[in-house]
Amino acid sequence: KQEVTQIPAALSVPEGENLVLNCSFTDSAIYNLQWFRQDPGKGLTSLLLIQSSQREQTSGRLNASLDKSSGRSTLYIAASQPGDSATYLCAVKSTGRRALTFGSGTRLQVQP
Amino acid sequence: DADVTQTPRNRITKTGKRIMLECSQTKGHDRMYWYRQDPGLGLRLIYYSFDVKDINKGEISDGYSVSRQAQAKFSLSLESAIPNQTALYFCATSAGGEQFFGPGTRLTVL
Repeated sequence: KQEVTQIPAALSVPEGENLVLNCSFTDSAIYNLQWFRQDPGKGLTSLLLIQSSQREQTSGRLNASLDKSSGRSTLYIAASQPGDSATYLCAVKSTGRRALTFGSGTRLQVQP
Repeated sequence: DADVTQTPRNRITKTGKRIMLECSQTKGHDRMYWYRQDPGLGLRLIYYSFDVKDINKGEISDGYSVSRQAQAKFSLSLESAIPNQTALYFCATSAGGEQFFGPGTRLTVL
């Protein structure tokens, strides 16, 4: 059974810092991995999708990496801004499973 | 207009009541999902449907049922609501391996 873990559960940084959010998964037989952002009381917004054959994806100040062999993904946020404050969720689609397995998220606060 | 919409956005009900949560999408995707989110537990899959004739249980389907009325509509029902079904409920669609979520329904069962 796939398990997805995100550490830390919460993170507070000053504005302008570069930061890394971590996601680990127990079964390396994955189809893809997706990073989402969730604002309080709101839905999930897809940030980046990495296919199993890819090592990284970039969108603006965000860069996500994937290392299947070690069961890890990281989300790098450059030059953080207060508007980046949200909960970031990692989700894995395992081979042979029809839906995503989610981590419990990292709650990020960027202090002005 | 949002691609995936959910109604209602908020609902307070009493134990034993029947509740229906509705989801509509304009993305033209065949695949639709219902998840619930509880604090500290991430999202867990309730039901999913890959087309109007294909409905499958997820990891926590007990106490829930679904109906796929059309490609664009997927409803979740709680036949007899109980307090531990208080949660944030999300509908999602997918295509090409990427999932797209609705804004959520916050359900409180008293």
